[in-house]
Amino acid sequence: EVVLTQSPGTLSLSPGERATLSCRASQSVSSNYLAWYQQKPGQAPRLLIYDASSRVTGIPDRFSGSGSGTDFTLTISRLEPEDFAVYYCQQHGGSLYSFGQGTKLEIK
Amino acid sequence: EVQLVEYGGGLAKPGGSLTLSCAASGFTFSNAWMTWVRQAPGKGLEWVGLIKSKANGETTDYAAPVKGRFTISRDDSKNTVYLHMNSLKTEDSAVYYCTTVYRGHEFNYWGQGTLVTVSS
Repeated sequence: EVVLTQSPGTLSLSPGERATLSCRASQSVSSNYLAWYQQKPGQAPRLLIYDASSRVTGIPDRFSGSGSGTDFTLTISRLEPEDFAVYYCQQHGGSLYSFGQGTKLEIK
Repeated sequence: EVQLVEYGGGLAKPGGSLTLSCAASGFTFSNAWMTWVRQAPGKGLEWVGLIKSKANGETTDYAAPVKGRFTISRDDSKNTVYLHMNSLKTEDSAVYYCTTVYRGHEFNYWGQGTLVTVSS
């Protein structure tokens, strides 16, 4: 089973700043099947990025994903007030799926 | 518009059973792979299990904590996927989401979730 570890646990930034969230896998993620989700309080998660770097249609281009193998990054280039939320990475390997424990992005 | 509506959550006793349903609309359900994902109160997301389409043999896979206790099934005539939960434990308490699976790898549409509480 691939274990995903996200860091930091909490990131405190101000609107307009750049956010960099990390997701590290315990072993190489198959074919870079690594996705990122955003979850706001009381809402279901929303898929942002798949295949490590492909943005879902309708997701603003300030969101970008990068990385391969075991190290992946979600970058939000310029934070908007609506971007403060919890972010999860997720991978698919073999017949199993797993999520990271999440990074909470909060307003400083 | 894709819609997923879960129902059937509620209070169950440890060792008991509960079945969740997820009614889907707005897409060709029979072609879709479906999953269940749960989230304990104040905690992160945990993948529970998957059912593939009939064309892919309706194969199921489960996360280790629920394997042997939970079963996923589907009724394509009703556009509904089910999560049958047996031998419930207090640690199964969570909001349960059903989701569609995009390209076999990601979860692109989510329901609003249904809360399951396991307590004596």
